[in-house]
Amino acid sequence: GAGVSQSPSNKVTEKGKDVELRCDPISGHTALYWYRQRLGQGLEFLIYFQGNSAPDKSGLPSDRFSAERTGESVSTLTIQRTQQEDSAVYLCASSFAGGSLETQYFGPGTRLLVL
Amino acid sequence: RKEVEQDPGPFNVPEGATVAFNCTYSNSASQSFFWYRQDCRKEPKLLMSVYSSGNEDGRFTAQLNRASQYISLLIRDSKLSDSATYLCVVNETSGTYKYIFGTGTRLKVLA
Repeated sequence: GAGVSQSPSNKVTEKGKDVELRCDPISGHTALYWYRQRLGQGLEFLIYFQGNSAPDKSGLPSDRFSAERTGESVSTLTIQRTQQEDSAVYLCASSFAGGSLETQYFGPGTRLLVL
Repeated sequence: RKEVEQDPGPFNVPEGATVAFNCTYSNSASQSFFWYRQDCRKEPKLLMSVYSSGNEDGRFTAQLNRASQYISLLIRDSKLSDSATYLCVVNETSGTYKYIFGTGTRLKVLA
């Protein structure tokens, strides 16, 4: 079946502009994660959605970052007033129910470059 | 101290060699452990979960040492296709399921 998809695959924007990144999880997966990976660095947890529970936003680096998820489907990550340090690959992952033993399936990521 | 620490490498090994990576974690209450593989400019993919009793999948063996708070990955008979970055992942269950990723260990298998 279809995997996790993300769009756009690449985004170049100017400092100060807002960007919106989209993630389509695997159908039936209730858990969805957003991560940021800077060049040569590890994955940095941003936010976690599980079903209709309140999301875990503890990883969002500033109030310029926000994310929404409609039910158990599409999620969007919005970065307002982008800064150059926001340049990174933004990875989305989903898992069946968010359990601690589950595999996370990653999308191909959105490469964001802020000029 | 970082929550999950890995030697970044790179580990350059000849084909056929055996190579081992360690990863240490700081939270003794961590529940589950994984090794993911990430190829250059690609997304991470699960290599294997790590069970308390240790587990093996073909040429790959994973071990967990809770007392010393580390996990290991052993690759036997290295192939050129094993060249990648290996990410150690720890699940810290603190109300919600948050996965902490290490920065990865880079492996390059040489012909």
